Amino acid sequence: RKEVEQDPGPFNVPEGATVAFNCTYSNSASQSFFWYRQDCRKEPKLLMSVYSSGNEDGRFTAQLNRASQYISLLIRDSKLSDSATYLCVVITGTYKYIFGTGTRLKVLA
Amino acid sequence: DTAVSQTPKYLVTQMGNDKSIKCEQNLGHDTMYWYKQDSKKFLKIMFSYNNKELIINETVPNRFSPKSPDKAHLNLHINSLELGDSAVYFCASSQGLSGSGTDTQYFGPGTRLTVL
Repeated sequence: RKEVEQDPGPFNVPEGATVAFNCTYSNSASQSFFWYRQDCRKEPKLLMSVYSSGNEDGRFTAQLNRASQYISLLIRDSKLSDSATYLCVVITGTYKYIFGTGTRLKVLA
Repeated sequence: DTAVSQTPKYLVTQMGNDKSIKCEQNLGHDTMYWYKQDSKKFLKIMFSYNNKELIINETVPNRFSPKSPDKAHLNLHINSLELGDSAVYFCASSQGLSGSGTDTQYFGPGTRLTVL
């Protein structure tokens, strides 16, 4: 089983739609969680950290479910500019960042 | 001002050559990393340095040798390049220990290495 797993997609959604991605992780001792965004041929950039209580940043909501060992990202009112690959990142141990393979999102006009 | 910079951006070379990629961060971070992103877009950590000390070496062939002259720089030297080394190599940095609340990573723009 991979340490961090994501559905690769692509998720093709119309503008204005709501879309959600999940990411599962295998190590119950994982302590920090993030969502990164990567545009084509660019570097990954932090989208948001994921806190135990859940957190929201504008149209984006992140949730953590420790019992079931997954994190989720919800995007409301999708924009064309949201088209990218969304990477789930889990920190397990000191400095050990583990990236998921990413979920591709295409927002269609 | 670029926070994490890498040079070169593109590198095309023949099998068997030796090449280096340089990385610098001006964020004052203590920890730096090298990642490899292959053709399937999987981003895998290779090395991590904290205050110039090697922390993580993820079963990378010893043809890859990182060097950290100071905590703002982490260079990657690759000997005897092979076809399978073709990938995008990303440098990253973070402030401190993971799980400490200062563990957001900032990435450089990447170096696209093509081995012919």
